[in-house]
Amino acid sequence: GAGVSQSPSNKVTEKGKDVELRCDPISGHTALYWYRQSLGQGLEFLIYFQGNSAPDKSGLPSDRFSAERTGGSVSTLTIQRTQQEDSAVYLCASSQWTSGRINEQFFGPGTRLTVL
Amino acid sequence: GEDVEQSLFLSVREGDSSVINCTYTDSSSTYLYWYKQEPGAGLQLLTYIFSNMDMKQDQRLTVLLNKKDKHLSLRIADTQTGDSAIYFCAESKSSYKLIFGSGTRLLVRP
Repeated sequence: GAGVSQSPSNKVTEKGKDVELRCDPISGHTALYWYRQSLGQGLEFLIYFQGNSAPDKSGLPSDRFSAERTGGSVSTLTIQRTQQEDSAVYLCASSQWTSGRINEQFFGPGTRLTVL
Repeated sequence: GEDVEQSLFLSVREGDSSVINCTYTDSSSTYLYWYKQEPGAGLQLLTYIFSNMDMKQDQRLTVLLNKKDKHLSLRIADTQTGDSAIYFCAESKSSYKLIFGSGTRLLVRP
């Protein structure tokens, strides 16, 4: 079946502009995650959605970052007034969900964001 | 706090074993993972180990966990050129929030 897809694959923007990054999770996966991978760094957790529960936004680096998940499926990560330090690869993952057990996260190919 | 550290680079000859090491700081981690990232592809879960285990073997992969030293390793036997990738160690206390290391780039020389 189809995996996690993300669009666009590459985005170049100017400092101060807003950007929207999209994630289509695997069908039937109720959990969705966003991570950021900066050059030479590990993945940094940003936000997590599970069903109708309130999202865990503890990883969002500033109030310029927001994310929503509509209809329990597609998610959009929005970065307002982009800064050069926002340049990174933004990765989305989805999983099934069972509390207290490992829930394998399936990752998309990422969106490479470059802020000039 | 939570921190996961890995060496940045490892080079091995094809057919040799590779050992990628990782240290973590959170002793309450429940799960520890190894992910593989190939160029242009998403991260792929290779294997994981529960914190109450000290070893797990899966075909060419062997994971060793030393909880006392908070040290995790991934051994790849008979390393092939297709194993060249970046390998990420990750830990979690919950069922969802992963804390990743910065990744080890494995280069397999023919």
